[in-house]
Amino acid sequence: KNEVEQSPQNLTAQEGEFITINCSYSVGISALHWLQQHPGGGIVSLFMLSSGKKKHGRLIATINIQEKHSSLHITASHPRDSAVYICAAPLIKETSGSRLTFGEGTQLTVNP
Amino acid sequence: SQTIHQWPATLVQPVGSPLSLECTVEGTSNPNLYWYRQAAGRGLQLLFYSVGIGQISSEVPQNLSASRPQDRQFILSSKKLLLSDSGFYLCAWNTGTSGYEQYFGPGTRLTVT
Repeated sequence: KNEVEQSPQNLTAQEGEFITINCSYSVGISALHWLQQHPGGGIVSLFMLSSGKKKHGRLIATINIQEKHSSLHITASHPRDSAVYICAAPLIKETSGSRLTFGEGTQLTVNP
Repeated sequence: SQTIHQWPATLVQPVGSPLSLECTVEGTSNPNLYWYRQAAGRGLQLLFYSVGIGQISSEVPQNLSASRPQDRQFILSSKKLLLSDSGFYLCAWNTGTSGYEQYFGPGTRLTVT
C-alpha cells in the first residue's frame, strides 16, 4: 500500500464542471504538495499547505491533518486544466531538506 | 530569480551505453537537490538527494549513480543502461528557507532501446 494515495486515477469532465481530486496519506506529515504535470512532462507546483485551505484562481486546496486527507478542487473547469495532478508529501523530515513521496497521479481530461 | 535547467531534454540510448544527465540551479546557494524518475505508467520516485557538495543519498538500489561536483550542479549517471532505466527524469531543488516546497526542472525523457 502506497503511503500517499490518490483518487480517482482518471477523471473526465465537461467544461465548466466542478472537479475534486482526493489524496490520503497513511503517515504523519507536516505539509502536502499539489503538483500539475502537463503532457510534455514538466511539473509545476500548485500548492504547498500544512493546514486549512489555499486558493489560487480557480484552484482550491484543502487539508485535514487529523484525517490525513487533502482535496484539490477546480471550479469552472476548462480544457486547459487537462493534466496529471499529483499530491506529494515529505514523509521524512530532514534538518536541511525534505524527500517527497508521491501519489500515483490523477489524469484529468476536460472536454469542451 | 531562481531557475533550474536540465539537459538534454530528450535522449535515446542503446542498452549498455553510458548515461550522463545534468541539472543546474541558478540564483540560489547551497540548495538541496533531488533526482526523481517517472517510469511509464507509474508515479514519481525519488532516486537521489543531496544536501551539499559531495553528499549524496540514494533512495533505491539501482545501476544509476549521482554526483554533485559543484554547489549548484547535480549529475545523474550510469555506466551501462538497462531497458528498465527508460523514463522521465526530473531534477528538483529547495532550500531550508523555503520549507518543504520544491521546484522542478523541465525534465529529461530517456528511452533505452
